[in-house]
Amino acid sequence: DSGVTQTPKHLITATGQRVTLRCSPRSGDLSVYWYQQSLDQGLQFLIQYYNGEERAKGNILERFSAQQFPDLHSELNLSSLELGDSALYFCASSPKAGALNEQFFGPGTRLTVL
Amino acid sequence: KNQVEQSPQSLIILEGKNCTLQCNYTVSPFSNLRWYKQDTGRGPVSLTIMTFSENTKSNGRYTATLDADTKQSSLHITASQLSDSASYICVVRGGGADGLTFGKGTHLIIQP
Repeated sequence: DSGVTQTPKHLITATGQRVTLRCSPRSGDLSVYWYQQSLDQGLQFLIQYYNGEERAKGNILERFSAQQFPDLHSELNLSSLELGDSALYFCASSPKAGALNEQFFGPGTRLTVL
Repeated sequence: KNQVEQSPQSLIILEGKNCTLQCNYTVSPFSNLRWYKQDTGRGPVSLTIMTFSENTKSNGRYTATLDADTKQSSLHITASQLSDSASYICVVRGGGADGLTFGKGTHLIIQP
């Protein structure tokens, strides 16, 4: 158990819908990362927040957005869902944002878009 | 373009045998390289991290090597166990939006 929690564990929805994925980082961690992992793809970095502020942005679609709240939990919002958005979405946290900081991954949310 | 290539894509070995997984990268500038183990349906867990000056690092039966000159790393697993069945992901920090470039992983299956 990494100490990072994600909800829900599974999510099934239809194309065109909007969903929100939630992540609670490890106690004391200030940095939160979001990743997408499709069936045949490696982990794709989406976005990073550090202490409430956006720190880095990766291959995140305009239909996707995220935020980190004052209590440091984070939400990833996915809208106008398409079949291709079906994937595992991981959240990771680290104490700071430095290069040597290990990221601790949550168990993931499996999103299925029908 | 920053890239991390892992080989083989998949590997099946018998329990008790050793194996070596490869990671080649073109990430520049280089900061560090980390190997993760990801069990099916679960989040990755860090095994080792290596910086530019480190050549070898061990974590139990896992030994990682790094050749910064040739930009190659390997992960050697000794006396494999059934619980080693997982995907092993090589991640290099240096370039990219957050400085992280992920390999697609090697899917390892240990057979009894």
